[in-house]
Amino acid sequence: GGIITQTPKFLIGQEGQKLTLKCQQNFNHDTMYWYRQDSGKGLRLIYYSITENDLQKGDLSEGYDASREKKSSFSLTVTSAQKNEMAVFLCASSRDRSNERLFFGHGTKLSVL
Amino acid sequence: GDQVEQSPSALSLHEGTSSALRCNFTTTTRSVQWFRQNSRGSLINLFYLASGTKENGRLKSAFDSKELYSTLHIRDAQLEDSGTYFCAAEVPNYNVLYFGSGTKLTVEP
Repeated sequence: GGIITQTPKFLIGQEGQKLTLKCQQNFNHDTMYWYRQDSGKGLRLIYYSITENDLQKGDLSEGYDASREKKSSFSLTVTSAQKNEMAVFLCASSRDRSNERLFFGHGTKLSVL
Repeated sequence: GDQVEQSPSALSLHEGTSSALRCNFTTTTRSVQWFRQNSRGSLINLFYLASGTKENGRLKSAFDSKELYSTLHIRDAQLEDSGTYFCAAEVPNYNVLYFGSGTKLTVEP
């Protein structure tokens, strides 16, 4: 088995601030993903990466940057936090790019004051 | 997006009863996954199907790629089955999963 660790668990930011979320996995999976979940809604893909240093945009990439520094880690940056924004950011990984069985971290809950 | 229509949006069951959740797809779908999200926000992968049916304990899922739908049957519901269930469809050529909006299941004594 393996685990996906997201840090921090809770993130409080100010409007306009640049905020970085981190994700580590020890599954040795090739592909990693960042999803955003708004209250009462499904997940929307922000970015994904099929290997180290690779980056692919999802439907929601505007306003975000991402970085796959090494196979085990994938970070997401909110480039300019929006006032009153509140969402959960979920990191996931899968063995390869075929979207075979996604495994998720516990999420980072973002609140912007 | 609109690729996945999940129903019902909310469901309440008494312990010991059974029901089914459904996802309809508006486009060709290569595979489907089902997840349960608990109250703390953790998402657990329940099933991955490229076709046919799979069963795990009291849960059974089916995927019909021709008729563009998938179902998740919950038999003999227990309190710990409560949570929000999501289906996610893999759309060919897009290499991403499209999630439904979820079914919030509450199992009551």
